[in-house]
Amino acid sequence: GAGVSQSPSNKVTEKGKDVELRCDPISGHTALYWYRQSLGQGLEFLIYFQGNSAPDKSGLPSDRFSAERTGGSVSTLTIQRTQQEDSAVYLCASSVPGLAPYEQYFGPGTRLTVT
Amino acid sequence: GEDVEQSLFLSVREGDSSVINCTYTDSSSTYLYWYKQEPGAGLQLLTYIFSNMDMKQDQRLTVLLNKKDKHLSLRIADTQTGDSAIYFCAEVPQGGYNKLIFGAGTRLAVHP
Repeated sequence: GAGVSQSPSNKVTEKGKDVELRCDPISGHTALYWYRQSLGQGLEFLIYFQGNSAPDKSGLPSDRFSAERTGGSVSTLTIQRTQQEDSAVYLCASSVPGLAPYEQYFGPGTRLTVT
Repeated sequence: GEDVEQSLFLSVREGDSSVINCTYTDSSSTYLYWYKQEPGAGLQLLTYIFSNMDMKQDQRLTVLLNKKDKHLSLRIADTQTGDSAIYFCAEVPQGGYNKLIFGAGTRLAVHP
């Protein structure tokens, strides 16, 4: 079956512009996660959606970052007024919550470059 | 606090064993994972171990868990060029099933 897909695969933007990154989770996976992978760093948790519950936004680094999930499926991560330090690979993952070992399935990521 | 640490780089000869090490700080972690990331691809779960185990073997992979020292290792036997990738150690803190805490990743380079 289809895995997690993300678009675009690469995005180059100018400092100060807004960007939107999209994630299509695996069908039937009600949990969706966004992570950020900076060069030489581990994956940094950004936000988590589970069904109709309020999202866990505890990892968002600033109020320039927001995300939504429409219809319990597709998610969009928006970064406003991008800064050079926002350059990273943004990874989306989905899972079936409560199903041990709680494996998360990752998409290929969107590489964001802010110039 | 939550922190996972791993060495950043490992180079091995094809056919040798590779050992990738990781330390974590949350003693209440229930599951510990090894994810593999190949160039240009997302992460893929390679193997995992539940906290009440101290060893798990899966074909060429052996995971060792030392809970006392909060140390996790991944041994790859007969390392092949296809094993070249970045390997991430990750933990799920107790009650924190909604997010994984990742290390920085160990880049494994396999040379002939």
